Amino acid sequence: GESVGLHLPTLSVQEGDNSIINCAYSNSASDYFIWYKQESGKGPQFIIDIRSNMDKRQGQRVTVLLNKTVKHLSLQIAATQPGDSAVYFCAESSNQGGKLIFGQGTELSVKP
Amino acid sequence: DAGVTQSPTHLIKTRGQQVTLRCSPKSGHDTVSWYQQALGQGPQFIFQYYEEEERQRGNFPDRFSGHQFPNYSSELNVNALLLGDSALYLCASTLGLTGNEQFFGPGTRLTVL
Repeated sequence: GESVGLHLPTLSVQEGDNSIINCAYSNSASDYFIWYKQESGKGPQFIIDIRSNMDKRQGQRVTVLLNKTVKHLSLQIAATQPGDSAVYFCAESSNQGGKLIFGQGTELSVKP
Repeated sequence: DAGVTQSPTHLIKTRGQQVTLRCSPKSGHDTVSWYQQALGQGPQFIFQYYEEEERQRGNFPDRFSGHQFPNYSSELNVNALLLGDSALYLCASTLGLTGNEQFFGPGTRLTVL
């Protein structure tokens, strides 16, 4: 069935280091992928997205990589800061405004 | 520019009761989706409303129903509440059915006793 999974449930990094959060997906029909950040008590916050016709997209301090061959998605955060501490979810969709399928999430903890 | 708003923020109900949750989309958005997020899990898609009609539905029973109003706001209704319905209910809005990112509200925390 459809699923989006994460390789690591928790990730602890030092402030200033780079963080990499990984995600696997199984639905080959998915053509749109998103990373969300969710802080405690808040709704998911959009970070960055990527369409299936791309393999890399960069934002401010964040980069998303898509490997369709192995159905793998990653989020790279440069110079991780304490404010980056949150749960990060990857999500997939077969159309950008439709149903999103979320993974379980990775909790990122940034040590000062 | 107001983002997605939801009410109430917290709600406590008992088994068998009915509940209505409300969502106002981000200004300029016309499509609303509802998600259920159990503790420690990712959000699960319930359904999506566009032009006052349910357009897509996830694997949720008929106890879960919704409505969209002409001003694009939406309600989620859950009948015959079960303990397992305790969760954070999230509303997301976007423009149209395809091509745009979804913005989430802060959610309504429902506790069923």
